[in-house]
Amino acid sequence: GAVVSQHPSWVICKSGTSVKIECRSLDFQATTMFWYRQFPKQSLMLMATSNEGSKATYEQGVEKDKFLINHASLTLSTLTVTSAHPEDSSFYICSAPTGTASQPQHFGDGTRLSIL
Amino acid sequence: AQSVTQPDIHITVSEGASLELRCNYSYGATPYLFWYVQSPGQGLQLLLKYFSGDTLVQGIKGFEAEFKRSQSSFNLRKPSVHWSDAAEYFCAALWMDSSYKLIFGSGTRLLVRP
Repeated sequence: GAVVSQHPSWVICKSGTSVKIECRSLDFQATTMFWYRQFPKQSLMLMATSNEGSKATYEQGVEKDKFLINHASLTLSTLTVTSAHPEDSSFYICSAPTGTASQPQHFGDGTRLSIL
Repeated sequence: AQSVTQPDIHITVSEGASLELRCNYSYGATPYLFWYVQSPGQGLQLLLKYFSGDTLVQGIKGFEAEFKRSQSSFNLRKPSVHWSDAAEYFCAALWMDSSYKLIFGSGTRLLVRP
């Protein structure tokens, strides 16, 4: 079964709305979670690393004020796309490292965000 | 810089034919290597992985991959493709200085002809 649960799987909203995506680790604790963005027919681009109890680490070029990340507990990280616009439409995937190189990350099923 | 290259954007094979998807990595030290598969609109599923030892590794769904140090390659193969194998395939690498960050290739889309 899924070890990382991501919700919602699909969201459609109007331009200017803020959208929150949740990523939960099931049956294990994750002090770190990764957030990726994937454009159609492209690879996964790491956006940021969320850290439980501290600030997220953003990759170069990712707007911190646009993509707010909170990691309030050992099993939950959230990504909020603030004042979303059509160009923010994408597939967002979270993952949680297991702490072993043999299975470095468990991935959520992704969230398809469509901004009208 | 650490990078993973998948030179083929898409590949089309006939059902029942053999398949090979290419993957190369850069940056001197040998990383841990992985192949993931992604069906449309879904997350990633791990197919197989290589750490050390036997350079030919077996994975799920009949896939295998061969690590070749001299070529910095980790190509994915399947002897007989099924229509259900149509998906996006990603090669990824993890260097142990990267805090479990996976570096992904750009992906190869597999199309299967009936």
